[in-house]
Amino acid sequence: SQQGEEDPQALSIQEGENATMNCSYKTSINNLQWYRQNSGRGLVHLILIRSNEREKHSGRLRVTLDTSKKSSSLLITASRAADTASYFCAPSPSGNTPLVFGKGTRLSVIA
Amino acid sequence: GAGVSQTPSNKVTEKGKYVELRCDPISGHTALYWYRQSLGQGPEFLIYFQGTGAADDSGLPNDRFFAVRPEGSVSTLKIQRTERGDSAVYLCASSLRLAGNNEQFFGPGTRLTVL
Repeated sequence: SQQGEEDPQALSIQEGENATMNCSYKTSINNLQWYRQNSGRGLVHLILIRSNEREKHSGRLRVTLDTSKKSSSLLITASRAADTASYFCAPSPSGNTPLVFGKGTRLSVIA
Repeated sequence: GAGVSQTPSNKVTEKGKYVELRCDPISGHTALYWYRQSLGQGPEFLIYFQGTGAADDSGLPNDRFFAVRPEGSVSTLKIQRTERGDSAVYLCASSLRLAGNNEQFFGPGTRLTVL
């Protein structure tokens, strides 16, 4: 299946702490994308990491990719209450298929 | 510029009725996607368009669901003989090209409630 599986399903941390979410998948990929969703509405693209990349940064976000283990992680440093949301990974086998989403990780950041 | 818009934002209907949900993608985006999301679940793929044609409709749950994109821009998701199980948030997204290599931009969704 192309779908990624996020772990843990839910995560609760204090403001200022780091949050780590993991994604596992089964197929070979061209790239993997991470999205955030607030309040059950539209998803927002966070970062795309290509299969030949191992790590990528964007602000307080750090994404790693291990294609040998078919896994990725999303690290949010110095978390804020506004980071409270659901986070989804979307592994993409090629450029010709739409993204498929798992159940996500629900992150709660407590002020 | 304007993002993806969806109308209506909320729709309440009765079992057995017909509904249409509209999506206006970002101008110039050739790929358009429909997803359905139930509470506590991730978005479930329904169908996507490349231009005017449905490139993959394998996610449509049954023949009560149909979507069109006649001019390669606005798309309408049509649901016939609605059932209570159709209640969900329907999300639309667009991308410059197929999203395998491009980020998808999502609309705010339409919350459909079938009574």
